[in-house]
Amino acid sequence: SQTIHQWPATLVQPVGSPLSLECTVEGTSNPNLYWYRQAAGRGLQLLFYSVGIGQISSEVPQNLSASRPQDRQFILSSKKLLLSDSGFYLCAWSKGGTGYNEQFFGPGTRLTVL
Amino acid sequence: AQTVTQSQPEMSVQEAETVTLSCTYDTSENNYYLFWYKQPPSRQMILVIRQEAYKQQNATENRFSVNFQKAAKSFSLKISDSQLGDTAMYFCAFMKHWISNFGNEKLTFGTGTRLTIIP
Repeated sequence: SQTIHQWPATLVQPVGSPLSLECTVEGTSNPNLYWYRQAAGRGLQLLFYSVGIGQISSEVPQNLSASRPQDRQFILSSKKLLLSDSGFYLCAWSKGGTGYNEQFFGPGTRLTVL
Repeated sequence: AQTVTQSQPEMSVQEAETVTLSCTYDTSENNYYLFWYKQPPSRQMILVIRQEAYKQQNATENRFSVNFQKAAKSFSLKISDSQLGDTAMYFCAFMKHWISNFGNEKLTFGTGTRLTIIP
């Protein structure tokens, strides 16, 4: 069976510090991977998605970036955090291919920028 | 671009009663999917139910059913015989239908409805 992991679960960082959030998927190969952010009182917003190693598409311009160094690893980064980066970050995966493929979400990372 | 609107920020209902959550969306697409996701206090996102736009029949999953009105762009969720475990944030979401894989299973979410089941 497939599982998705995210770490850390909780993170408190000062403004201007760097960020690295990691997401890994087990039990599948060549998944599509997604980063979403959930700000307080708002729905989930898609930040990045990837269909393969090194292939990243950005949905929202911001000071965040994403990388996919390995098939089942997706990293969300920032060089300098802003207060507005606070939120709950969810990674998701789906099988590639045509038609409908359900997205499965990880447990999330709660980021607080002070 | 697609938008999803949930106009009920919070709702509460007595245990065992029926509750309906509202969702409207805006799109120019003809083929798409609509979803209801549940996010309990654990924050884990769980798919509750899915509706394909080309299907006229409303989707049902046990106690959960939808009322899909394509022309009105309305997609409500009905929870029957509500249980304490149904307490959660509920998100309505939209996904365009694609015929090829470009990572296009991109979900557009509403702002959510916080549902509380009262014992």
